Amino acid sequence: KAGVTQTPRYLIKTRGQQVTLSCSPISGHRSVSWYQQTPGQGLQFLFEYFSETQRNKGNFPGRFSGRQFSNSRSEMNVSTLELGDSALYLCASSLDPPQETQYFGPGTRLLVL
Amino acid sequence: AQTVTQSQPEMSVQEAETVTLSCTYDTSENNYYLFWYKQPPSRQMILVIRQEAYKQQNATENRFSVNFQKAAKSFSLKISDSQLGDTAMYFCAFMKHGGMIQGAQKLVFGQGTRLTINP
Repeated sequence: KAGVTQTPRYLIKTRGQQVTLSCSPISGHRSVSWYQQTPGQGLQFLFEYFSETQRNKGNFPGRFSGRQFSNSRSEMNVSTLELGDSALYLCASSLDPPQETQYFGPGTRLLVL
Repeated sequence: AQTVTQSQPEMSVQEAETVTLSCTYDTSENNYYLFWYKQPPSRQMILVIRQEAYKQQNATENRFSVNFQKAAKSFSLKISDSQLGDTAMYFCAFMKHGGMIQGAQKLVFGQGTRLTINP
């Protein structure tokens, strides 16, 4: 079974631009979570989607948004990019409860100049 | 709010040795999961082992085992017969049980322990 895939793997943007990252979960997984990883803040939870609905949200500004499609694929969008948004963005998928273990994709490395 | 603390920023051992990584957590929840993930230089986050809080028996996966002390809120990872491929950043993570309605909850991660296995 294929793992979680994320595209693109690397991205360079400039301040003020917006960016969209994509995540395809493991086949059969309907929950998708997003995390931001930075050297200073570590790993922080952004949001979680299930059946096209956002169920949980972390403490990030409204510039960070996401959505999930009917095939469980998810996208996250960051508008008006700031230098501090430079990070590794990780997507994770999981089966329905009680099998809640999250399996991660390879991540998208975003550099904001 | 839950917090996870890994007190060892870096560790280094020789190949074939046994190494133990420490993790403590703070929570008022009674039903939760604990995980160890490894992140090698490729940056891919890989699940190492999972422990359900209601299970008294410590989880094991081949060379990896945990010492789960619920009362002490301690969750250490032991790697036996360490191999060069074990070199990675190791993260301890907490997740409260979501159940059928709330579903998957967020993982709360520690700051990580950088483990180097030397030949």
